[in-house]
Amino acid sequence: NAGVMQNPRHLVRRRGQEARLRCSPMKGHSHVYWYRQLPEEGLKFMVYLQKENIIDESGMPKERFSAEFPKEGPSILRIQQVVRGDSAAYFCASSLRQASVGYNEQFFGPGTRLTVL
Amino acid sequence: DAKTTQPTSMDCAEGRAANLPCNHSTISGNEYVYWYRQIHSQGPQYIIHGLKNNETNEMASLIITEDRKSSTLILPHATLRDTAVYYCIDPTSGTYKYIFGTGTRLKVLA
Repeated sequence: NAGVMQNPRHLVRRRGQEARLRCSPMKGHSHVYWYRQLPEEGLKFMVYLQKENIIDESGMPKERFSAEFPKEGPSILRIQQVVRGDSAAYFCASSLRQASVGYNEQFFGPGTRLTVL
Repeated sequence: DAKTTQPTSMDCAEGRAANLPCNHSTISGNEYVYWYRQIHSQGPQYIIHGLKNNETNEMASLIITEDRKSSTLILPHATLRDTAVYYCIDPTSGTYKYIFGTGTRLKVLA
């Protein structure tokens, strides 16, 4: 029973490069969520995806950030032209149930720590 | 911003019960209260959730007040491994958009 998997666990990029973060949800889960955590802060919601669809990207910066969850393969969070302020831990979560009123337990991965030099 | 209020930090002696409070005064209707914890810099770990009634599982107990405006997470016999930041998720954040506050940093002391 593998949990949510994320890779890489640590990623170092220079300013202006691209960062690709991968998330494989738990088996049978088709709902994926991405969160960002800056140092000494709580997690902040970025985007919610179901297979091949972006449901809510209200927490994601409009520029340079994109996310996808293809029919086959992991979900990808892509950050183009990274800047120092993008340095953070990025967590992926997945859930079994379709988001419905009241109840939605999310299971989190170990995170990817992005450092921008 | 989260609409939950939690103490910034708490200490607890090993073997004693840790009681972590959370105010969520804007809760309404059928919104669940979720608790997670984050050990060091790992991914958040689910602890427990509840709606109206008190809940208990192998990790903790959750006491929800009758008006549902606050709850208390109880770790009955805290161990050093329970040292973590405990988050009460804002129940008004919607069914999928978890809003994490700053949480309570619990330190279990030997």
